[in-house]
Amino acid sequence: DAKTTQPPSMDCAEGRAANLPCNHSTISGNEYVYWYRQIHSQGPQYIIHGLKNNETNEMASLIITEDRKSSTLILPHATLRDTAVYYCIVRVADSWGKFQFGAGTQVVVTP
Amino acid sequence: DVKVTQSSRYLVKRTGEKVFLECVQDMDHENMFWYRQDPGLGLRLIYFSYDVKMKEKGDIPEGYSVSREKKERFSLILESASTNQTSMYLCASSLQGMKQYFGPGTRLTVT
Repeated sequence: DAKTTQPPSMDCAEGRAANLPCNHSTISGNEYVYWYRQIHSQGPQYIIHGLKNNETNEMASLIITEDRKSSTLILPHATLRDTAVYYCIVRVADSWGKFQFGAGTQVVVTP
Repeated sequence: DVKVTQSSRYLVKRTGEKVFLECVQDMDHENMFWYRQDPGLGLRLIYFSYDVKMKEKGDIPEGYSVSREKKERFSLILESASTNQTSMYLCASSLQGMKQYFGPGTRLTVT
């Protein structure tokens, strides 16, 4: 599975959009981009995933560049409960086995 | 919603004790996983199972064993607990090739 690079931390004001970048320059054509988050002392929570088209669900939007070498997770209206570590993972579709979690981005939402 | 439950949130055991960590999922998923999470090391896969009575070693299986007698239940066993097994243990489940759902975690302390 391809490696990802994320900034170690970022702050966001409550009510504003949070844009979390992820670089995955070595991604292969059959690898999906997944986003998870982990609130302190809890298990990771699935947010969204995509292959090449932009995706949106009730939690977030995922924007993938045309060359697929980077993506951005957008939390449209950040709340204090969105404070967490966010992980960007690339993974081959239909593969079973582990998700390779890196260090992620610590997001702190402030009032 | 998928629910993955773990038998304990916090556990304290003595060195040399046999420890059982239980995980149950309610969505008929084929795949189940055990990870441990340590500061600076991220999530590391210990074992996974793709069917009843089937198991595969992950990245760090030493000192651990697993049991999957029923589809919904996956147990992690520490045969003789040691202090270096103090960690957060996370269970996850998934359908084949799909996103993983995580439990809340068990924070194990071995003294």
